[in-house]
Amino acid sequence: SQQGEEDPQALSIQEGENATMNCSYKTSINNLQWYRQNSGRGLVHLILIRSNEREKHSGRLRVTLDTSKKSSSLLITASRAADTASYFCATPQGGSEKLVFGKGTKLTVNP
Amino acid sequence: DTGVSQNPRHKITKRGQNVTFRCDPISEHNRLYWYRQTLGQGPEFLTYFQNEAQLEKSRLLSDRFSAERPKGSFSTLEIQRTEQGDSAMYLCASSLIRRAGEQYFGPGTRLTVT
Repeated sequence: SQQGEEDPQALSIQEGENATMNCSYKTSINNLQWYRQNSGRGLVHLILIRSNEREKHSGRLRVTLDTSKKSSSLLITASRAADTASYFCATPQGGSEKLVFGKGTKLTVNP
Repeated sequence: DTGVSQNPRHKITKRGQNVTFRCDPISEHNRLYWYRQTLGQGPEFLTYFQNEAQLEKSRLLSDRFSAERPKGSFSTLEIQRTEQGDSAMYLCASSLIRRAGEQYFGPGTRLTVT
């Protein structure tokens, strides 16, 4: 079963614009992670935010976490065509800390 | 290259045939996970190993699926009597026990069952 739900399902923007994607989850978490997946490829780990953190930055990425609303957002600033990919949020669950993913947001950045 | 590797990258097989995929994790990582991803969906957990022990299996993993990690290093995932519904991307990930939530993924094996 899916834990996170990303919103929107698809997003199309122009190069240079900012892209914001949202993720909602259902159960309590220790951390939340964002991954990127280029078409037909494996997942690339972007950023991890812990449950006691509210905001985290990495380069052009900014992630926020609101545990009271069980939601997170990923902001990509000054987008580039190379950012075109699907973005997934994931939360580790259970003793195995298996990752439970949402369906993803498909981002298209037009040059 | 010290990342997670998977072989083959692509596999086309006929319904009813058996297939085997291999995953080589990052060398010092104790945990190894298998996920399956179908088109338009996020990855779904199949099973995981801690060293050589298989500690959890999803109900998605039918009797036709078997996974091994014999020496606690590489792992294999075998699907017997493949069905068209098995067509998917099979992803492997590895992590350290103390940082198990931070998983590093391989490029995946795309299986097409005709």
